Amino acid sequence: GAVVSQHPSRVICKSGTSVKIECRSLDFQATTMFWYRQFPKQSLMLMATSNEGSKATYEQGVEKDKFLINHASLTLSTLTVTSAHPEDSSFYICSARGSIRGGNTIYFGEGSWLTVV
Amino acid sequence: LAKTTQPISMDSYEGQEVNITCSHNNIATNDYITWYQQFPSQGPRFIIQGYKTKVTNEVASLFIPADRKSSTLSLPRVSLSDTAVYYCLVGSQTGANNLFFGTGTRLTVIP
Repeated sequence: GAVVSQHPSRVICKSGTSVKIECRSLDFQATTMFWYRQFPKQSLMLMATSNEGSKATYEQGVEKDKFLINHASLTLSTLTVTSAHPEDSSFYICSARGSIRGGNTIYFGEGSWLTVV
Repeated sequence: LAKTTQPISMDSYEGQEVNITCSHNNIATNDYITWYQQFPSQGPRFIIQGYKTKVTNEVASLFIPADRKSSTLSLPRVSLSDTAVYYCLVGSQTGANNLFFGTGTRLTVIP
């Protein structure tokens, strides 16, 4: 079963509005979670690293004021796309580092499709 | 940052063994090698992880030569449902440098 869960799996929003995507680690605590975006037929691009209790670390070229990340607990990180525009439409994926099977492995959520109309 | 290089695509017939090789020439001493499978519109799914020699689980085997500059994911007797993109990532178990994806290998299994 899934060890990292995202919600919603699909969301449609109007241009100019904001939308929040949740990422939860199941059965383990994740001090660090990661957010990616993926365009069709392309690889995953790391957007930011979410640290519990502190500010997220954003990759170069990612607007921190547009993609707000909050990691308020050890099992939940949220990504809020503010003032969304059609070019923000994409597949957003989160991941978390955990030790479900021993070792320290990164597990990914199911992904969230965002469509901005 | 350990960069990975994989073939862009591969085709295989059903029932055959598929080997996908990943090059990671600048792998660090404490780096592990992890392979993921991704289906369209889904998040990557963990397949296997290793540090050296050979690792086997219920779905795949991972072969890592002594110099660790490459690794090979082996999928035994593939089926149509194995058609997916396969990514190898290299990095330490606690560091941040295994978070960057390469192009991946798009495997197409043919009936």
